[in-house]
Amino acid sequence: GQNIDQPTEMTATEGAIVQINCTYQTSGFNGLFWYQQHAGEAPTFLSYNVLDGLEEKGRFSSFLSRSKGYSYLLLKELQMKDSASYLCAVVDSNYQLIWGAGTKLIIKP
Amino acid sequence: IAGITQAPTSQILAAGRRMTLRCTQDMRHNAMYWYRQDLGLGLRLIHYSNTAGTTGKGEVPDGYSVSRANTDDFPLTLASAVPSQTSVYFCASSDAGVTDTQYFGPGTRLTVL
Repeated sequence: GQNIDQPTEMTATEGAIVQINCTYQTSGFNGLFWYQQHAGEAPTFLSYNVLDGLEEKGRFSSFLSRSKGYSYLLLKELQMKDSASYLCAVVDSNYQLIWGAGTKLIIKP
Repeated sequence: IAGITQAPTSQILAAGRRMTLRCTQDMRHNAMYWYRQDLGLGLRLIHYSNTAGTTGKGEVPDGYSVSRANTDDFPLTLASAVPSQTSVYFCASSDAGVTDTQYFGPGTRLTVL
C-alpha cells in the first residue's frame, strides 16, 4: 500500500526553527508537495520538489531525498502566524497525488 | 479575480436528501478536483477532471457523482446523503494536472443527520 507519514503535532517557540519531516512509501515518485493549511481554511501551496536537495524560499525551505523516501520542511524565524497544519503530498508513478494526514504546528510565544 | 469559489459555505442535510456542491474557477485551469477532509485523515480525492468533458474516479467515489460541462464549473452531487458523508469538501484546480500547483476553494462544511 501507499503511505505518507508525518508527525501528528509539533510545538515550537516564536523566533525559533522547526523541521517537519515526511516519509513516504509509494509506487514510484513524480514529485512532492508541501501545503500550509490554517484552521478552518483551504490549503495553500508552499513548495514542490522533484529533484534531490534543498530549495529555499524566504523563511521556508524544503528538502528531498528520493533514495530515502524522505522530505522535510524547515521553517525559520517562526512567527505566530505560522501556526497551521502542514500537509505533505506525493505524486506516484500513476500520477495520483497521495496526501499525508498533516502536521499541526503550534507556535508558543 | 475570485480564483476558485464554492457554495454553499456550510449545509446541514437530512439523510436521504440529494445535494449538489458547486465549484467555479475563473483561472481557465484544465484540471479540477473534489476532496473530502476528515479529522485525522489526509485529503482524499473523490473525483477529478483533467479537462472539460472528462471525469475520473478518485480514492473514495462511492455515493458521489460529478460533471464537467465546461472549463469553469465542476459540481459534486450526493444522490442520497448518508451520515458518513459528513465532512469538509474542498474543490481545487490546477493548470497542468497533478504535478502542478493546486489552488483550493474555501471549502463546504457538510453535516448529514
